[in-house]
Amino acid sequence: EAGVAQSPRYKIIEKRQSVAFWCNPISGHATLYWYQQILGQGPKLLIQFQNNGVVDDSQLPKDRFSAERLKGVDSTLKIQPAKLEDSAVYLCASSLGGWENSYNEQFFGPGTRLTVL
Amino acid sequence: TQLLEQSPQFLSIQEGENLTVYCNSSSVFSSLQWYRQEPGEGPVLLVTVVTGGEVKKLKRLTFQFGDARKDSSLHITAAQPGDTGLYLCAGSGGTSYGKLTFGQGTILTVHP
Repeated sequence: EAGVAQSPRYKIIEKRQSVAFWCNPISGHATLYWYQQILGQGPKLLIQFQNNGVVDDSQLPKDRFSAERLKGVDSTLKIQPAKLEDSAVYLCASSLGGWENSYNEQFFGPGTRLTVL
Repeated sequence: TQLLEQSPQFLSIQEGENLTVYCNSSSVFSSLQWYRQEPGEGPVLLVTVVTGGEVKKLKRLTFQFGDARKDSSLHITAAQPGDTGLYLCAGSGGTSYGKLTFGQGTILTVHP
């Protein structure tokens, strides 16, 4: 079974530039998550999709971050414009169950390491 | 807001030693998961514990969920260099169904 795919793996941009990340979840997984992981910290949830609808985006900085999952499968996360503090690893994860499933075992992709100069 | 605190943050030990990592919260979780993350990779699920007082063993790793479902521990027996990595606990349920709250992680280094 193929895992969660993410691209690119690495990205270096200058502040105020734009960047987009792509994620393809495990086939059949209804729920997709984007996390931000700053060096030395645990992942922080940015946004959670159930199929193509947003379940939780309470910690997404909506003035510069946006995400979509138009057909309920793959997803893109965009930052525009980027700031120095956005340097982090952006992880995508997926899970089988809906948000009602409190066990919520998630499977993570390898992440995209973003460096903002 | 649910918070999970892990301790210690850093652990550097010699091969063959035992160690314990703790994960504590003031909130109740319906389940708690432990992940291991290697550099350049995403976290990989090790175990899910769901019942208060539950103990699960995975080879040399022993996971325990506190009776009140507010805390958990990970014990590694006879650590090996291959155990090196970032260990993360994550809680689910309670006041935020479906959302995982992660601890800040414990960086474990096992020296040969």
